[in-house]
Amino acid sequence: QKEVEQNSGPLSVPEGAIASLNCTYSDRVSQSFFWYRQYSGKSPELIMSIYSNGDKEDGRFTAQLNKASQYVSLLIRDSQPSDSATYLCAVTNSGNTGKLIFGQGTTLQVKP
Amino acid sequence: GAGVSQSPSNKVTEKGKDVELRCDPISGHTALYWYRQRLGQGLEFLIYFQGNSAPDKSGLPSDRFSAERTGESVSTLTIQRTQQEDSAVYLCASSLTTGYLGTEAFFGQGTRLTVV
Repeated sequence: QKEVEQNSGPLSVPEGAIASLNCTYSDRVSQSFFWYRQYSGKSPELIMSIYSNGDKEDGRFTAQLNKASQYVSLLIRDSQPSDSATYLCAVTNSGNTGKLIFGQGTTLQVKP
Repeated sequence: GAGVSQSPSNKVTEKGKDVELRCDPISGHTALYWYRQRLGQGLEFLIYFQGNSAPDKSGLPSDRFSAERTGESVSTLTIQRTQQEDSAVYLCASSLTTGYLGTEAFFGQGTRLTVV
């Protein structure tokens, strides 16, 4: 089982729709969770961090964490073509050891 | 510095040569990470540093790969006797700390390594 799993996609949504990106992780004691956006040929850019169960909103982005289900998601409201990118889920491994593990990423395509 | 800086941006080397990749983290960041990203693939963890020590080297692909960090600042990733399979983008990231809060990691622009 991979430590962090994401559906590779592509996930295609029309402009203005809500895009829902999902991630599961295997280490039950993980405490820190992150979403990164990576445009083709560029390095990853941090979008959101979440540490507690529930929702965290920042502009058009909402991160959702459910530690019991070992599940973290990212919702993008009012999707724009400029949101088209690969979205990477990252998790710190085994509590406080600090190893930061990434999923393989989900490619999002927002069609005008 | 204002952000994570990596050098060189691009490196073309002949098979069998050694290469050194450099990462200069954000000032004050104690944690530093190295990842490899092959074309069209995800981020492959290589190694991370907390201060100058490396608690986890499990991702280094072979004994041709080594990394060090000095002064809780600059890190170098060395690849000896490069092979064509080493061709990839090598990404460095740093974060304020490891553990719970303060672990947001920020990436440099990467070094694109091509082994010919």
